[in-house]
Amino acid sequence: AQSVTQLDSQVPVFEEAPVELRCNYSSSVSVYLFWYVQYPNQGLQLLLKYLSGSTLVKGINGFEAEFNKSQTSFHLRKPSVHISDTAEYFCAVSGGFKTIFGAGTRLFVKA
Amino acid sequence: SAVISQKPSRDICQRGTSLTIQCQVDSQVTMMFWYRQQPGQSLTLIATANQGSEATYESGFVIDKFPISRPNLTFSTLTVSNMSPEDSSIYLCSVDIEGGGFGEKLFFGSGTQLSVL
Repeated sequence: AQSVTQLDSQVPVFEEAPVELRCNYSSSVSVYLFWYVQYPNQGLQLLLKYLSGSTLVKGINGFEAEFNKSQTSFHLRKPSVHISDTAEYFCAVSGGFKTIFGAGTRLFVKA
Repeated sequence: SAVISQKPSRDICQRGTSLTIQCQVDSQVTMMFWYRQQPGQSLTLIATANQGSEATYESGFVIDKFPISRPNLTFSTLTVSNMSPEDSSIYLCSVDIEGGGFGEKLFFGSGTQLSVL
């Protein structure tokens, strides 16, 4: 069975500051890892995914994430955030024929 | 990619009634999933619905409450039975077009927002 833990429920940050949203997972099988974003009143959108290969993956809107197998983590980062990045971010893990989502982290970017 | 249509997009229902949500995909897919997103919460997997087999329910969800049909490779329904206000949520249909079970190509419908009075 898989599980996902997002360590921060809310992350307030000032515009143009860097941000890291933390995600840890556990699984008894090999997994793929994802970050999704949900803007207010919109559906889920895939930000990026790790399937194999380089542990640093780049996604849309300047986001990147690093897979760390030894720490079972997949933290999401952006070097400089914009007001428009305000949204809910979900870490997800797939394996065993289903995708499980974390509780979400609300990123709030302040001017 | 996949285009997923869900109906209805929203509904307000009375306690004790049932609502059937339809999910139509524009291509044939083996794996379909139903999720629930309660207000301010994350997505919780209700069940996996693969064509040709019974739906597989996650812990905390049962067939009597959430019966699912999967008559073909492009269509599925989820029924929320004997509704109570606790069932108020967004219900999402999702498909994995790669079919490998690893979510590489996971697409979501726009959701059905259900309010139970």
